[in-house]
Parts: sequence; structure tokens; C-alpha cells
Amino acid sequence: AQKITQTQPGMFVQEKEAVTLDCTYDTSDPSYGLFWYKQPSSGEMIFLIYQGSYDQQNATEGRYSLNFQKARKSANLVISASQLGDSAMYFCAMRGRVQGAQKLVFGQGTRLTINP
Amino acid sequence: NAGVTQTPKFRILKIGQSMTLQCAQDMNHNYMYWYRQDPGMGLKLIYYSVGAGITDKGEVPNGYNVSRSTTEDFPLRLELAAPSQTSVYFCASSYSRTEINYGYTFGSGTRLTVV
Repeated sequence: AQKITQTQPGMFVQEKEAVTLDCTYDTSDPSYGLFWYKQPSSGEMIFLIYQGSYDQQNATEGRYSLNFQKARKSANLVISASQLGDSAMYFCAMRGRVQGAQKLVFGQGTRLTINP
Repeated sequence: NAGVTQTPKFRILKIGQSMTLQCAQDMNHNYMYWYRQDPGMGLKLIYYSVGAGITDKGEVPNGYNVSRSTTEDFPLRLELAAPSQTSVYFCASSYSRTEINYGYTFGSGTRLTVV
């Protein structure tokens, strides 16, 4: 079975500081993908960054980077130089093949609040 | 590009009523999904479809039905609405290949309240 765990229900960070959001996963599928999504108060799901299980390098997208430690089964999101607009819910998700079909499974989310 | 279109955006139902949440995508994605998100929680998979004519249950299918007669459309049917179905519903679509980042595209959500 696939499982995603986000252990930080909420985080508070000062503006301009870096922040790390934790994510651990469990899967028996050797081929999988890890995603991070941002959900602002308006409710839409915004794709941030993707890491494939066979990717050798950690993914980066602007101020977002994914600290992928395959042996530890962790895929933490790092946001550098945080901004007030980064305040939102953040979800880690994993795509893998379960019973022959791809499924995207989400963690419980972390609510990030950036303080001025 | 329209992406994934969900209708309606908001709906209030009375207990026992039925309704259909519509979802359409114009990206020729073969996979489509329905998720529900309860307040303060992550998304849970209700049903998914790997192509026209093929659907299967996700994590929380009870109280829902789906159909996939075309590649573009994947409606979610609620029969005999219950207060426990009060939630935000998201439809999503994707390609099926895993070796590169075929991202998931989400609709804007339907906020459903059952009273």
C-alpha cells in the first residue's frame, strides 16, 4: 500500500527565512513520483514541484527545492527566502501503481504561516 | 486552454437528495480522478478511471457512483445525500505514464453542503 505522512500540522516562520516541510512515504512500487502542491485559502491546488524515483538530482523550481532521500523515503520541500504569499496549506503526494493502476495519494498537509 | 472544468462551484443539498457533480477535461488525458477534501484534511480518492468505459473504487467510494462514457467527461453521482458528504470535491486528470512528470491537473473544486 502507498502511504504519505506529513508530521507537521502547522508551521510558523518569519518572512525571508527558509522553511523545510517534512514528508515521508512508503511504497512497494519501484517506480513512483513525488509531488508537492500548495493550496491557498482560495482553495485551488497549485502544483509546485515533482521528483521522480529514478531522478539522480534533487528537483528545483525557483525558490522551491525537494530534498529527496530515497533510502530514508523522505521528500522534504524547502522554500528559500519565504514570502507572505507563501502562507497556505502544503500537501505532499505520491503517484505510484497500485493494483495495476496509477493513483495519487496525499498526505494530511502542513499549514504554513509566514509572519512579517 | 480550459484544463479541468468542474460544475457547480457551490451547492447546498438536503438530506436524501441526489445530484451529479460534473467534470470535463480537454487535454485528452486518459486518467481521471475524484477526490474529496474534508476541512483541514488532505485529499482522499473516491473513484478513478483509466479510460472511457473503465472505472474503479478509490479509498472512500461509499455513497458515490461514477461513469466514464467519453474520454472528456467523468461525472460523480451522489445518491441519497448525507451530512457526512459535506466536503469539497476535486476532479483531476493526468496521463498514465510514470517515467516522466505528466502532472496532474486539478479542477477548481465543488463545495458541497448537505443539510
